[in-house]
Amino acid sequence: GIQVEQSPPDLILQEGANSTLRCNFSDSVNNLQWFHQNPWGQLINLFYIPSGTKQNGRLSATTVATERYSLLYISSSQTTDSGVYFCAVDDYKLSFGAGTTVTVRA
Amino acid sequence: ETGVTQSPTHLIKTRGQQVTLRCSSQSGHNTVSWYQQALGQGPQFIFQYYREEENGRGNFPPRFSGLQFPNYSSELNVNALELDDSALYLCAAGQANEKLFFGSGTQLSVL
Repeated sequence: GIQVEQSPPDLILQEGANSTLRCNFSDSVNNLQWFHQNPWGQLINLFYIPSGTKQNGRLSATTVATERYSLLYISSSQTTDSGVYFCAVDDYKLSFGAGTTVTVRA
Repeated sequence: ETGVTQSPTHLIKTRGQQVTLRCSSQSGHNTVSWYQQALGQGPQFIFQYYREEENGRGNFPPRFSGLQFPNYSSELNVNALELDDSALYLCAAGQANEKLFFGSGTQLSVL
């Protein structure tokens, strides 16, 4: 199956800082999604992004499908951004990476 | 609000027992899939249903089975529970080849 690698595994930020999370995948995929999992386990869709760049408030994502990677940008981070960020590639099922745990300190 | 509801939120079972987890989603979600998430890991695909037929399965033994009903609800059944089955079980629903929406999960503990 497709391998999905996320980096870094952990990230500690001071409130207001910017950061970049990376997702590499091993093969061509139909699609890619970014999720945020809050401390209660809820997975929230952030982006559905097979290619190109999308923005949603302080978050933006870029997928370069030909080079098999995607980036998630968090700008002006807030404590509510804390949690685990997953990317998942879609090859009839979602294959998730191991996640990046983000901690934003006030 | 994702429109996907799972029940129960928490469950404690003993080894060897059977368990049924439930998921309901809004009208139009013709695809439902189930994932197992062990502590500190990403979710792992169990299986997927499309219009009440299983159309994909991950690396899970046959004691993991499921059903999808015409009213967009779904069940995950696990027989002969093992300690390693302790995990968060997530249901995801949506339209085929489009964004999937996840429920809040059922935390299963097997003692």
